[in-house]
Amino acid sequence: NAGVMQNPRHLVRRRGQEARLRCSPVKGHSHVYWYRQLPEEGLKFMVYLQKENIIDESGMPKERFSAEFPKEGPSILRIQQVVRGDSAAYFCASSLKKDGQDTQYFGPGTRLTVL
Amino acid sequence: GNSVTQMEGPVTLSEEAFLTINCTYTATGYPSLFWYVQYPGEGLQLLLKATKADDKGSNKGFEATYRKETTSFHLEKGSVQVSDSAVYFCALSDKAMGYQKVTFGTGTKLQVIP
Repeated sequence: NAGVMQNPRHLVRRRGQEARLRCSPVKGHSHVYWYRQLPEEGLKFMVYLQKENIIDESGMPKERFSAEFPKEGPSILRIQQVVRGDSAAYFCASSLKKDGQDTQYFGPGTRLTVL
Repeated sequence: GNSVTQMEGPVTLSEEAFLTINCTYTATGYPSLFWYVQYPGEGLQLLLKATKADDKGSNKGFEATYRKETTSFHLEKGSVQVSDSAVYFCALSDKAMGYQKVTFGTGTKLQVIP
């Protein structure tokens, strides 16, 4: 019974390159959430997606960042033209239901380092 | 907006000591409250939760009670073990949103020494 899978676990990019982070939710979960954790800080909500739809992207920077959750395949968080300030751990979570009574299951995270 | 404030760490305790990590929140409406634990190099695991006032969440010897009057959700454990060393995050989910948009505190690092 696989949990949330994220890959890669560690990603190193140079300034100006693109970063693509993948998240496979728990089987049967159709709600995906992305969070960013800066060093020594808590997690900050970025975006909430259902299959093929972005529901809430209020926590995601408007430029350079995008997210998708296609009908088939993993959810992708894409960061274009990365800068040093993008260095962080990016966590994906999934849930079966969308309401506040349900539990979010977190993946192990992708640690992005921008040189 | 919603916010969660928890005590700063690190907290260093001897094995079998009593643990309290304070957490207070600000939210509109009646949120669900959570404690998550993060072990080194890993993602977050849900430790316990409470969905309404006066509920007590408990798991693995940890417990926390949803106190609406003081807007608090303090984490306690009667006797900590070395294996409890981790970072603990208090969090809330605003039910009024209709979906889980979780707000986290900054985390409290716990170190338990033998």
